[in-house]
Amino acid sequence: GENVEQHPSTLSVQEGDSAVIKCTYSDSASNYFPWYKQELGKRPQLIIDIRSNVGEKKDQRIAVTLNKTAKHFSLHITETQPEDSAVYFCAASDSGSARQLTFGSGTQLTVLP
Amino acid sequence: SAVISQKPSRDICQRGTSLTIQCQVDSQVTMMFWYRQQPGQSLTLIATANQGSEATYESGFVIDKFPISRPNLTFSTLTVSNMSPEDSSIYLCSVDGLAGEDTQYFGPGTRLTVL
Repeated sequence: GENVEQHPSTLSVQEGDSAVIKCTYSDSASNYFPWYKQELGKRPQLIIDIRSNVGEKKDQRIAVTLNKTAKHFSLHITETQPEDSAVYFCAASDSGSARQLTFGSGTQLTVLP
Repeated sequence: SAVISQKPSRDICQRGTSLTIQCQVDSQVTMMFWYRQQPGQSLTLIATANQGSEATYESGFVIDKFPISRPNLTFSTLTVSNMSPEDSSIYLCSVDGLAGEDTQYFGPGTRLTVL
């Protein structure tokens, strides 16, 4: 089955700096890669996703890049703000009929004011 | 966007008892899933709730321990049976197929504590 590794497990940045979280996956059949943000005590919220026919996707301060050859994808947050502090999870799936997500272990991002 | 709700939001249960968690969506969805999130950990898929047929369980999870129902396209239940303290966790449902999108959205979760 799919295995997703996520690094780093914790990340502290100064407000205004950029943050990068990286994930690798094992199953070459995976073709859908969402990122979720989970604040303490809240549900995971989808913040951005990318499919395997695209190399990069941006949404304001958030971007995701995908390297299918190397089987890794990354989340980039620019101009970080304190409200970006949360746990971020990457995930991968084969968006065929099954569509189960396999999650990475999570990154605790802390943005220091 | 669709509203996904879960009941109860939290519960404290005694060892050996069972708890049924409900997940309700305000529009029809193709697929519903159940995840477990242990304290400080990532999300682990328990099973896919299939409408009109038995759920599909992931390795390490069995129907006797986690029976699942999916009577229609907007509702599912997960029962945690014969609970032990190791079952203390957050249980989340997710839905896929809202408005034709193959994107998963999560319910608010049920925080279960087993004494």
